[in-house]
Amino acid sequence: EDQVTQSPEALRLQEGESSSLNCSYTVSGLRGLFWYRQDPGKGPEFLFTLYSAGEEKEKERLKATLTKKESFLHITAPKPEDSATYLCAVQTTNDMRFGAGTRLTVKP
Amino acid sequence: DSGVTQTPKHLITATGQRVTLRCSPRSGDLSVYWYQQSLDQGLQFLIQYYNGEERAKGNILERFSAQQFPDLHSELNLSSLELGDSALYFCASSVGVSATYEQYFGPGTRLTVT
Repeated sequence: EDQVTQSPEALRLQEGESSSLNCSYTVSGLRGLFWYRQDPGKGPEFLFTLYSAGEEKEKERLKATLTKKESFLHITAPKPEDSATYLCAVQTTNDMRFGAGTRLTVKP
Repeated sequence: DSGVTQTPKHLITATGQRVTLRCSPRSGDLSVYWYQQSLDQGLQFLIQYYNGEERAKGNILERFSAQQFPDLHSELNLSSLELGDSALYFCASSVGVSATYEQYFGPGTRLTVT
């Protein structure tokens, strides 16, 4: 069965302390991997789509990378406004499956 | 603001009842997706419509149905409601039929079944 696992479940960082979030997946027929940011009580906000192993994308303090079995979301010098839940989702031939998310808190 | 609108924002109803959730996609988007987000199940894909036709089905219960109208807005109908149906329901839209297009989510409808 297709599975998407995100780790850690929660992460607390000091402002400026860089770190990475992990999304590992076991799916058949990967068509795309997505990263979303979700603030409490709001809809997910699109960040990146990655299509093939080796691909990297950057946006401000965020960089997403993809291998054959996992994706990383690197956060460089985070700020308190980066606090949110980060969701990873995998699109296969027949399904769109989300991970449970990593709840990131950045303290000033 | 993603450009996707959903109504109502909140809905409280009793078990056994039927409700309809409404979604208007971003201007120019032809695909609409419906998702359910609960604390124990996370975000789950329910169904996709593209230009009025059903394109993909996920974990959608038989008690749930959806449609997309000629003006591209979509409705999700939930019937014979159970306590476990309490959740946030999101709609998302994208420009094309493939789910690899980036999706823009609405603010959600919070459904509480009592």
